Amino acid sequence: DAKTTQPNSMESNEEEPVHLPCNHSTISGTDYIHWYRQLPSQGPEYVIHGLTSNVNNRMASLAIAEDRKSSTLILHRATLRDAAVYYCSLGKGGATNKLIFGTGTLLAVQP
Amino acid sequence: DTGVSQNPRHKITKRGQNVTFRCDPISEHNRLYWYRQTLGQGPEFLTYFQNEAQLEKSRLLSDRFSAERPKGSFSTLEIQRTEQGDSAMYLCASSLGGLWGNPEAFFGQGTRLTVV
Repeated sequence: DAKTTQPNSMESNEEEPVHLPCNHSTISGTDYIHWYRQLPSQGPEYVIHGLTSNVNNRMASLAIAEDRKSSTLILHRATLRDAAVYYCSLGKGGATNKLIFGTGTLLAVQP
Repeated sequence: DTGVSQNPRHKITKRGQNVTFRCDPISEHNRLYWYRQTLGQGPEFLTYFQNEAQLEKSRLLSDRFSAERPKGSFSTLEIQRTEQGDSAMYLCASSLGGLWGNPEAFFGQGTRLTVV
């Protein structure tokens, strides 16, 4: 299965934009790019996903490279509640749509 | 609460004992997944159900692991003869899948298993 690579940790200041990168150079044509975030002792929470085009929702934006080998999750204005581990994962195409997670980026937000 | 529910939240068991976890997905969701997560790692896929049919199992799922989803509603994950290496967070997720797209998954809060 294709894998994702993310920085172990990043830091941001409150109310500033945050760009979280992810590499998925072995992505296959039917894989979707998903982002989830996880707080301690909680299950992952869906953030956003896309296939080829950039996506926006109320939580974030997802920028996907033209060759789909990388993507960036954009939090437009970080808040203290955005501090979490952010996982870039691949949603496998086909019947199962199972998710293949990387090791995640721990985002710290400073007031 | 209409989210994914997992019970128990925590389980401590002695090595060699059997344990069973339960997952109640979001009611209209036809797809159900089990994942395992160890400290500092992302979740790893274990198995997948579409309605009551178990359609995929990871090679991580040894013979000691079995999962069921009778009637396509709740699911159980049983581990027989637990080993210390089974200590992890076991996560259940559900989604509403159709022929197209790749829908988001909704995760439960997980069951943390500690084998002593």
